[in-house]
Amino acid sequence: GAGVSQSPSNKVTEKGKDVELRCDPISGHTALYWYRQSLGQGLEFLIYFQGNSAPDKSGLPSDRFSAERTGGSVSTLTIQRTQQEDSAVYLCASSLSDGIPYEQYFGPGTRLTVT
Amino acid sequence: LAKTTQPISMDSYEGQEVNITCSHNNIATNDYITWYQQFPSQGPRFIIQGYKTKVTNEVASLFIPADRKSSTLSLPRVSLSDTAVYYCLVGRGSQGNLIFGKGTKLSVKP
Repeated sequence: GAGVSQSPSNKVTEKGKDVELRCDPISGHTALYWYRQSLGQGLEFLIYFQGNSAPDKSGLPSDRFSAERTGGSVSTLTIQRTQQEDSAVYLCASSLSDGIPYEQYFGPGTRLTVT
Repeated sequence: LAKTTQPISMDSYEGQEVNITCSHNNIATNDYITWYQQFPSQGPRFIIQGYKTKVTNEVASLFIPADRKSSTLSLPRVSLSDTAVYYCLVGRGSQGNLIFGKGTKLSVKP
């Protein structure tokens, strides 16, 4: 079946502009996660959704970052007034709530470059 | 999630068995040990998970000693396509965010 998809695959934006990143999880997966990965680094957790609610937003680095999920499916991550330090690959993952613990399925990511 | 320590990099040759060890001295009673693989320009992929003793699947084996303070991911007869970063994670048996360290960069040479 279809895996997790993300769009766009690449995004180049100017400093100060807003960007929206989209994630389509695997059908039936109620849990959805956003991470980001800077060049050569490990993954940094941003936010976790269970259905449409976000019980854990602890990883959002600032109030410029927000995310929503509608219909228990698609999620968008919005970064307002982008800064150069926001440049990274943004990864989305989904999982079954009652599946194997920590078995998450990752999308290919969106590479964000802020110039 | 318990802190983990693993080598930054390892080199191997095609056809060899590769063992990557992860230390997790502060593992809790109900923590699972999970390994992920990440190829360049791709998201991580779940490889294997275990709680104690040995787990084997079509990709790898996971060896966990009785004290569970470490674990070893074993990749049999690696090929060039096994070149990737391998992450060890330790956490309790429920869904939640993953905390990845920098992982072990495995380079397989011909």
